[in-house]
Amino acid sequence: GENVEQHPSTLSVQEGDSAVIKCTYSDSASNYFPWYKQELGKRPQLIIDIRSNVGEKKDQRIAVTLNKTAKHFSLHITETQPEDSAVYFCAAINQGGKLIFGQGTELSVKP
Amino acid sequence: EAGVAQSPRYKIIEKRQSVAFWCNPISGHATLYWYQQILGQGPKLLIQFQNNGVVDDSQLPKDRFSAERLKGVDSTLKIQPAKLEDSAVYLCASSLQGSGYEQYFGPGTRLTVT
Repeated sequence: GENVEQHPSTLSVQEGDSAVIKCTYSDSASNYFPWYKQELGKRPQLIIDIRSNVGEKKDQRIAVTLNKTAKHFSLHITETQPEDSAVYFCAAINQGGKLIFGQGTELSVKP
Repeated sequence: EAGVAQSPRYKIIEKRQSVAFWCNPISGHATLYWYQQILGQGPKLLIQFQNNGVVDDSQLPKDRFSAERLKGVDSTLKIQPAKLEDSAVYLCASSLQGSGYEQYFGPGTRLTVT
C-alpha cells in the first residue's frame, strides 16, 4: 500500500548547524508534499509545502527539495536555533487524495 | 481567525466503555479529517468528510468507531467499546478544500484506555 518512509528518527545538532530530514514515498501519482512541526504536547503545524511542479522551495531558514524521479523529498533547516527543537513529519498525498504521514523525526538543537 | 476546536482535551476510560469526541472546524472549511496519533508515530487518517459526506473511511475500524458530520460543520467521533490499543491522541483537522491544501489541526484529545 501507500507508504512514506522518513529518516532519521532522531537528529541532534549544535545550534547554528544545518539539519536535513529525508523522506521517500511509494505512490508515483503523489503531487503534494507538506512538512509539519509538532512541539511536545501541541498540534502539528504546517511549516512548508511543495507541489510536484517545482523542485525546490525556500522560506527563510527552511527549504524543501523534491526529486520526483527518485520519489524522495527533503527538509533543510539552516542556522538551527533551540526553538527549532520538535518532531517533524513529512507527508505525501496519495492518488486517492489521502495524506500519508511519515514516522517523524525528533530534532534536538543543543545550545 | 479562530482555529479548529476540539473537546475534551483529555479523557480516561476503562476498556469496553464508550467515548465521544467533538470537533468544530475553521469556519468555511469544507473538508474535515479525524486522525489517530499513537505515541511516537505520525498521524493516521481515520476518516475524511467533504461537507457532510464521507470521502474516505478505509482506515476506520467500523466495528467500534463511528463518525458523523451532520449539517457539514461540527463532527463527532465515537468509540464503542474502547480497547487498550485505542489509547492515542485523536486529532481533528480541516482544510478549505480537499487534502491537497493546508490542513489546520486542532489541539487533539488525549485518550487513555485502562
